[in-house]
Amino acid sequence: NAGVMQNPRHLVRRRGQEARLRCSPMKGHSHVYWYRQLPEEGLKFMVYLQKENIIDESGMPKERFSAEFPKEGPSILRIQQVVRGDSAAYFCASSPRTGGAEQYFGPGTRLTVT
Amino acid sequence: QQQVKQSPQSLIVQKGGISIINCAYENTAFDYFPWYQQFPGKGPALLIAIRPDVSEKKEGRFTISFNKSAKQFSLHIMDSQPGDSATYFCAAQEADRGSTLGRLYFGRGTQLTVWP
Repeated sequence: NAGVMQNPRHLVRRRGQEARLRCSPMKGHSHVYWYRQLPEEGLKFMVYLQKENIIDESGMPKERFSAEFPKEGPSILRIQQVVRGDSAAYFCASSPRTGGAEQYFGPGTRLTVT
Repeated sequence: QQQVKQSPQSLIVQKGGISIINCAYENTAFDYFPWYQQFPGKGPALLIAIRPDVSEKKEGRFTISFNKSAKQFSLHIMDSQPGDSATYFCAAQEADRGSTLGRLYFGRGTQLTVWP
C-alpha cells in the first residue's frame, strides 16, 4: 500500500515565478491537509481539502496561495509570484475520514526561492 | 502564538538511556495528542498518540505520559538507540473540530541525538 506521495521533492524557483506542488494521498484517503515547515520550526497548518472542496483554508495566506483537490488527480498547492519568504518545506498529509485524527505525511517538497 | 509548547529544543542522550521530551498546552478543547518522528529530508511519521481518557500509553520502547490537570504530556524513549536520533514533534488536535476540522497544532520540535 503506497504511502502519501509528493512531487517534486525539490523545487527551485526565481522570485516572481509560480510554484506548483502536488500531493497524492494514500489509497482510500479522501482528506488532504497541507502544512508548511520553516527552518527550526514545527509544522504550521495551511489548508484542509476533501475531493472538490476546500474545507478550511484559514491557515493559508490570503494572497498568492491557492489549493485544490480535484475529483481526479492529485491535490495541488499553488504559489504565485513566489518570494524568498516562501522558501520552506511543504508537507501534505492524508486521512481516511473527516477531521481525521490519524494523519499520514508525505516526504515533502522543499521549495527554494532564489 | 504557539498553541503547543515543546521542550527541550535539543537533547543528547547516551545509548541505553532514557530520552524525555515534554509538551504543554492551554487549549482544553484538545483531545488527541500524537507524537511524530522526523528524519532529515523525510516527512514526519506518526509514532504514538494518546487521548485524555488515559494517563499513559506504551508501545514498545515509546511511552506517552499524560497529565490532564496540568495540561502536559511527555514522550519517554526507553533504552534509547543511535537509530532514534531524529527530530520529535508533539502535536494536538481539537475535539469540537467545527471550523478547525482536524488540523494539527505542532510544537517546535526536539532534536534528539543518541550517542553510541
